[in-house]
Amino acid sequence: AQTVTQSQPEMSVQEAETVTLSCTYDTSENNYYLFWYKQPPSRQMILVIRQEAYKQQNATENRFSVNFQKAAKSFSLKISDSQLGDTAMYFCAFMEVGDMRFGAGTRLTVKP
Amino acid sequence: GAVVSQHPSRVICKSGTSVKIECRSLDFQATTMFWYRQFPKQSLMLMATSNEGSKATYEQGVEKDKFLINHASLTLSTLTVTSAHPEDSSFYICSATSDSYNEQFFGPGTRLTVL
Repeated sequence: AQTVTQSQPEMSVQEAETVTLSCTYDTSENNYYLFWYKQPPSRQMILVIRQEAYKQQNATENRFSVNFQKAAKSFSLKISDSQLGDTAMYFCAFMEVGDMRFGAGTRLTVKP
Repeated sequence: GAVVSQHPSRVICKSGTSVKIECRSLDFQATTMFWYRQFPKQSLMLMATSNEGSKATYEQGVEKDKFLINHASLTLSTLTVTSAHPEDSSFYICSATSDSYNEQFFGPGTRLTVL
């Protein structure tokens, strides 16, 4: 079974600074998808960024980018120019054949 | 992205009663829907996967007779918590997808409180 590990239960960053959230996963599959979701206090799951395993280029969405290391099974999220609205829970997720598994989450606090 | 709704957003019920939660895909046909449970300060745990027109597949440890899932159409799945008890109090989230997508679209969740 696939497992997703987020080793940072909580992190904080100063507004406008950069922060990196870590995620590792375990799988024997070669084709899969990786995601970062943001869950604010409303608890609505919001897709931040996604990466297809067959693509070598790291995905980027505005201030959000990933460092995808397939051989190391690592998928970290970098948030640049952190904003107060980035404060939320962040979940790393792995999906293969439609079945999605989540990491334990990292609670990120952006400080003014 | 595609839109998924859930109803109700929150529900309070007495112990021993049954509660039904609806999950709808509003602008696409969802061949597969998923039900997750999230306890406070924890991650999402997959409860079951349902494909339209067939029986749901439950994760290990999830009682299928307690959590009844019906996926009767391509836009609607329901989760019924039967004979609810306080330990069933949780946040329930559904998601939906189809063969056209390589991701899941999440509903806003339902907060269930069993007194």
